[in-house]
Amino acid sequence: AQTVTQSQPEMSVQEAETVTLSCTYDTSESDYYLFWYKQPPSRQMILVIRQEAYKQQNATENRFSVNFQKAAKSFSLKISDSQLGDAAMYFCAYRLNAGGTSYGKLTFGQGTILTVHP
Amino acid sequence: NAGVTQTPKFQVLKTGQSMTLQCAQDMNHEYMSWYRQDPGMGLRLIHYSVGAGITDQGEVPNGYNVSRSTTEDFPLRLLSAAPSQTSVYFCASSKGTGARTEAFFGQGTRLTVV
Repeated sequence: AQTVTQSQPEMSVQEAETVTLSCTYDTSESDYYLFWYKQPPSRQMILVIRQEAYKQQNATENRFSVNFQKAAKSFSLKISDSQLGDAAMYFCAYRLNAGGTSYGKLTFGQGTILTVHP
Repeated sequence: NAGVTQTPKFQVLKTGQSMTLQCAQDMNHEYMSWYRQDPGMGLRLIHYSVGAGITDQGEVPNGYNVSRSTTEDFPLRLLSAAPSQTSVYFCASSKGTGARTEAFFGQGTRLTVV
C-alpha cells in the first residue's frame, strides 16, 4: 500500500520569506500524481499544485513550486514571498494513475501547519 | 458552478443515533469519495465510488455505508454513531483522465458524537 509522510507537523516563516514543506512517499508504481492541498481555517481543501510522475519538469504555480525527486520519492513544496494568506494546513497527497478504481482514491500525509509571521 | 456541496456543515449526535451526510456534485465526475480528517492523521478514505451503482471500501469503512444511485449524489450513512466517529468528514469528486484530474472537495462536516 502507498504511504505518504509529512515529517514536519509545524513550520513557520516570516512574511516575504521562503519556506519549504517536505513530503516523502512510498510506492512501487511508476505512474501516479502528487498533489499539495491547502486547508485554511475555513476548512475548505484547495489545490495548490499538481505533479505528474512522468513529467520530469517540476511544477510551478506563481509563488508555489515543487521539487520532485522521483527516485528518492520526495515531493517538497516551496512557497516564495510568503504572505499572511498562506497560513494554513498543507497536505501532500498521492493518487495512482492506473485506471479504474485508482482514480477515486487519494492517500494523504499527516499535514503541516504553516504559520506566517508579519 | 456549485462544485461539491456537502450538508450539514455541523452535526451533534448521541451515541447510537444514525444519520446521513449528503454530498452532491454538478461537474459530471465519475469518481466520488468520502474521507475523514482526524488530528495528526491527515485524511483517510472511508468509501469511494467509480460510477453510479458501484462502490467500494476504503481504509476505514467500518460503521459507514454508502450508495450511489446517480452520478451526482453520494450520501454517507452512519448506522449507529460512536464517539470514535467524531471527526471532520469530506466528500470529494474527480474525473479520471485529462486535464484537471485533481479531487474537488466539499466544505466538510464537523460531526461530534456524544
